[in-house]
Amino acid sequence: QQQVKQSPQSLIVQKGGISIINCAYENTAFDYFPWYQQFPGKGPALLIAIRPDVSEKKEGRFTISFNKSAKQFSLHIMDSQPGDSATYFCAARVSGTYKYIFGTGTRLKVLA
Amino acid sequence: DGGITQSPKYLFRKEGQNVTLSCEQNLNHDAMYWYRQDPGQGLRLIYYSQIVNDFQKGDIAEGYSVSREKKESFPLTVTSAQKNPTAFYLCASSISYFTSTDTQYFGPGTRLTVL
Repeated sequence: QQQVKQSPQSLIVQKGGISIINCAYENTAFDYFPWYQQFPGKGPALLIAIRPDVSEKKEGRFTISFNKSAKQFSLHIMDSQPGDSATYFCAARVSGTYKYIFGTGTRLKVLA
Repeated sequence: DGGITQSPKYLFRKEGQNVTLSCEQNLNHDAMYWYRQDPGQGLRLIYYSQIVNDFQKGDIAEGYSVSREKKESFPLTVTSAQKNPTAFYLCASSISYFTSTDTQYFGPGTRLTVL
């Protein structure tokens, strides 16, 4: 069964610190890996995404690292801010299909 | 403003009743999707539609139905056959069925509670 395992389930970080969220997958037939940010009561919003032929992508304070051989990818939030407090989901798109498999989410809290 | 609208934001239903959730987009996107979100779980796909008058079942379609009569609209009906319908429902759209860097845009969601 296709799965994307996300960890940790929750994370508390001090303001200015680095938040790291990890995802691992078991099926090699994924071709696109987006990360979403969701605030309570709202729909998810695309944060950053990466293709498997790229090992790292950075947008502002957000960086995705992708390790194809280990089937792992992670989100790093540098200089974390209280406004970053939200739930983060990783996802993977099954190659050649419409279908995204989502991780179970990480609830991030950044302390002021 | 371009985007996806879902209504209502909160919906209460008695057991045994069907209820329809609205989803409208003015992004001119071809593809539209319905997801269900439960606490501690990721998003699970209910139905998706690539083009008008066409839709396909996702992973958890049982107890749900959809229609796609217009490009901008993709309503979801939660029927009485859905055993555990209380959840947060999210509609999404994307430019095309899939591209190399397809992005899904999500609506604000509808929270359905069965009383």
